[in-house]
Amino acid sequence: GAVVSQHPSWVICKSGTSVKIECRSLDFQATTMFWYRQFPKQSLMLMATSNEGSKATYEQGVEKDKFLINHASLTLSTLTVTSAHPEDSSFYICSARDLRGRGYTFGSGTRLTVV
Amino acid sequence: DQQVKQNSPSLSVQEGRISILNCDYTNSMFDYFLWYKKYPAEGPTFLISISSIKDKNEDGRFTVFLNKSAKHLSLHIVPSQPGDSAVYFCAASAPWGSQGNLIFGKGTKLSVKP
Repeated sequence: GAVVSQHPSWVICKSGTSVKIECRSLDFQATTMFWYRQFPKQSLMLMATSNEGSKATYEQGVEKDKFLINHASLTLSTLTVTSAHPEDSSFYICSARDLRGRGYTFGSGTRLTVV
Repeated sequence: DQQVKQNSPSLSVQEGRISILNCDYTNSMFDYFLWYKKYPAEGPTFLISISSIKDKNEDGRFTVFLNKSAKHLSLHIVPSQPGDSAVYFCAASAPWGSQGNLIFGKGTKLSVKP
């Protein structure tokens, strides 16, 4: 079945630094990838939609200059949290839409802690 | 305004009994619904889905029912097992090309007690 690999699974960084999270579709091509954020006891909130070869589409309230998304190939999308602050600490999850149908496969998530 | 609602934040069920998780939606454009299971610090895992042209889909112990007129769907797990304890998210999707992303409910934490 479709597999999406997400790295790192957890990261601790100092306030003001940048963190890059990678999301790869291992056995299928994903023209569209989605980035979600989940705060404790909350739902998964869509941050942005990443399309291969074009600029990402950000949801209202998500700063595009802070959360940089690059989708350079059909199998790789990256989310860079720039100048991270403690309030950016959250669980970030990517997903990819399977070209063959309506299926969505999720990565295993990245726990970001900014200290 | 929440388009997908899971009004029960938690549910506790005895092992072997049926678990029923409910989900309501408001957007009539949604035509595909999915249930995901999520353990802490892990990504959601797909469980079962249903298209709006059906009213029931079954996969092993998991059955999803869709009532379009009521804009309501439910996930039945029978018999429930302790390993089913997790947070279950209901998600909805609009037709391909119009709204490609999933809209999630807030989740229901299921606890299955031995």
